[in-house]
Amino acid sequence: NAGVTQTPKFQVLKTGQSMTLQCAQDMNHNSMYWYRQDPGMGLRLIYYSASEGTTDKGEVPNGYNVSRLNKREFSLRLESAAPSQTSVYFCASSEIGAAGELFFGEGSRLTVL
Amino acid sequence: GENVEQHPSTLSVQEGDSAVIKCTYSDSASNYFPWYKQELGKRPQLIIDIRSNVGEKKDQRIAVTLNKTAKHFSLHITETQPEDSAVYFCAASKGTDKLIFGTGTRLQVFP
Repeated sequence: NAGVTQTPKFQVLKTGQSMTLQCAQDMNHNSMYWYRQDPGMGLRLIYYSASEGTTDKGEVPNGYNVSRLNKREFSLRLESAAPSQTSVYFCASSEIGAAGELFFGEGSRLTVL
Repeated sequence: GENVEQHPSTLSVQEGDSAVIKCTYSDSASNYFPWYKQELGKRPQLIIDIRSNVGEKKDQRIAVTLNKTAKHFSLHITETQPEDSAVYFCAASKGTDKLIFGTGTRLQVFP
């Protein structure tokens, strides 16, 4: 039982490159989330998926796209990376959405040069 | 949308002392208020939560209080220990869609 698994753990990109962060959970949770963590700014919600087949914008969605591939997987795509997207990205899942415990992955550290 | 403010940003206490972290929220419809602890280099983990129909909740050395009228809630840690050193995040949500976090408090407990 791995919980929430994110890949890659580390990535360095050049400005303008694209990449996809992958997230998978094995807890049969309905809701999945992508947050970014920056020093002094806490955890900011990028996108979330309340259930399979739905996605919604969070607090800071600009520059990102998401795909809820199936109930287990929720990916985050940067189409044209910018230095402002340098951050640590966390995927999380929850059985009952934002009204219950979020289980986080280990995080993905992304640096955009 | 919901906005959560958290204070202080850093807090240093002597081992054995108490620590209090305070948060305010903007949306009066919010009804779920969790607290997460993040140790250095690790993922955030839930330590305690409270729902709007309860004013206080305790779990051993940690407690959370909620004042719905004033739209603020607090985390209280008693008899602090070095292993309590971490970053603590408050959060708020209404219903089941979005969980919005505060900016975090770095707690340092000195032996």
